[in-house]
Amino acid sequence: NAGVTQTPKFRILKIGQSMTLQCAQDMNHNYMYWYRQDPGMGLKLIYYSVGAGITDKGEVPNGYNVSRSTTEDFPLRLELAAPSQTSVYFCASSYSDLLKETQYFGPGTRLLVL
Amino acid sequence: DAKTTQPTSMDCAEGRAANLPCNHSTISGNEYVYWYRQIHSQGPQYIIHGLKNNETNEMASLIITEDRKSSTLILPHATLRDTAVYYCIVRVATNAGKSTFGDGTTLTVKP
Repeated sequence: NAGVTQTPKFRILKIGQSMTLQCAQDMNHNYMYWYRQDPGMGLKLIYYSVGAGITDKGEVPNGYNVSRSTTEDFPLRLELAAPSQTSVYFCASSYSDLLKETQYFGPGTRLLVL
Repeated sequence: DAKTTQPTSMDCAEGRAANLPCNHSTISGNEYVYWYRQIHSQGPQYIIHGLKNNETNEMASLIITEDRKSSTLILPHATLRDTAVYYCIVRVATNAGKSTFGDGTTLTVKP
């Protein structure tokens, strides 16, 4: 099991550029999440998905889009990059088990928007 | 989800027990207490969770007060590798989209 994988590890974008952050999991988890973490701060939920074809907004969805066409993949799209989107982005997944909603996190993608 | 309050930072001597408190005075009956930690910008790692009974696993113990308004994560014999940011999260187990991590407690284990 590779667990949760994220690509790229690091990226520099110019203002106004777009990019897609990739996330994949091989644990057959239904739930997947995208968080961002600004320096010295906690994680903030951007979007989440409870299954293929179903996505919903978290705390800070503005400026981002997601899709979930398969159980395994949950890409995050930035359409018009802004300096405020400079952050570390974490993808996570979990079982839909009611009793133990443990989230497994990927290694993160560091994004710098200049 | 209930809001949590944690101290910004704590120190602990290596080999001693680290006791990390969390206040969640607005917790409701169906909300669980979860603890995660994040070591140096890696992805957060699940530690333990509980509803109202005390819990123990290979990593830590979780003590929840009888009124459930606060809890304490105990690392029984802290090592230097336990230096991390520890997050206390309170939420309904099925409410996956409402996970709020907050700013956590930075635990520094010193030799």
